[in-house]
Amino acid sequence: GENVEQHPSTLSVQEGDSAVIKCTYSDSASNYFPWYKQELGKRPQLIIDIRSNVGEKKDQRIAVTLNKTAKHFSLHITETQPEDSAVYFCAASYGQNFVFGPGTRLSVLP
Amino acid sequence: SQTIHQWPATLVQPVGSPLSLECTVEGTSNPNLYWYRQAAGRGLQLLFYSVGIGQISSEVPQNLSASRPQDRQFILSSKKLLLSDSGFYLCAGEWGGNQPQHFGDGTRLSIL
Repeated sequence: GENVEQHPSTLSVQEGDSAVIKCTYSDSASNYFPWYKQELGKRPQLIIDIRSNVGEKKDQRIAVTLNKTAKHFSLHITETQPEDSAVYFCAASYGQNFVFGPGTRLSVLP
Repeated sequence: SQTIHQWPATLVQPVGSPLSLECTVEGTSNPNLYWYRQAAGRGLQLLFYSVGIGQISSEVPQNLSASRPQDRQFILSSKKLLLSDSGFYLCAGEWGGNQPQHFGDGTRLSIL
């Protein structure tokens, strides 16, 4: 079955700097890769996603890149703000098979 | 739009008591539905998923069970809760392949 690894597990950056979180997956059949943000005590919320026919997608300060050959994808957050502090989860999906990474706790220091 | 409703938001139960958590779904019919558990500061552990009425797949053997009596209703149950059942329980729905899962607000369960 699918296995998703995520690094780093914790990440601290200064406000205004960029943050990068990387995920790798094992099943080449996976073709949908969403990213979720979970604030403390809240539900995970989708922030951006990418499908396998696209190599990069951007939405304001957030971008995701996908390398299907290497089976890894990354989340890039530019000009980080304190409200970006949260736990971020990547996921890899094929059909109803949805596997989440273990999460990255991002802290943006003012 | 697709909306996931969960209740209650918080629940405190004694060890050995039964449990019933309900998840209902608004929006397009025939969603895939999921139950996850999240321990404090940890990731999402998939417990059950359902692709249709009466169809339940279990990912982790435990004293929990799930049922889907209606297309838009997904229930998580236990006959006897253990201390290790404490956690944040999230219901999620997904409508078709290559689509995101949408989460409910979750139930924080504490076992005393």
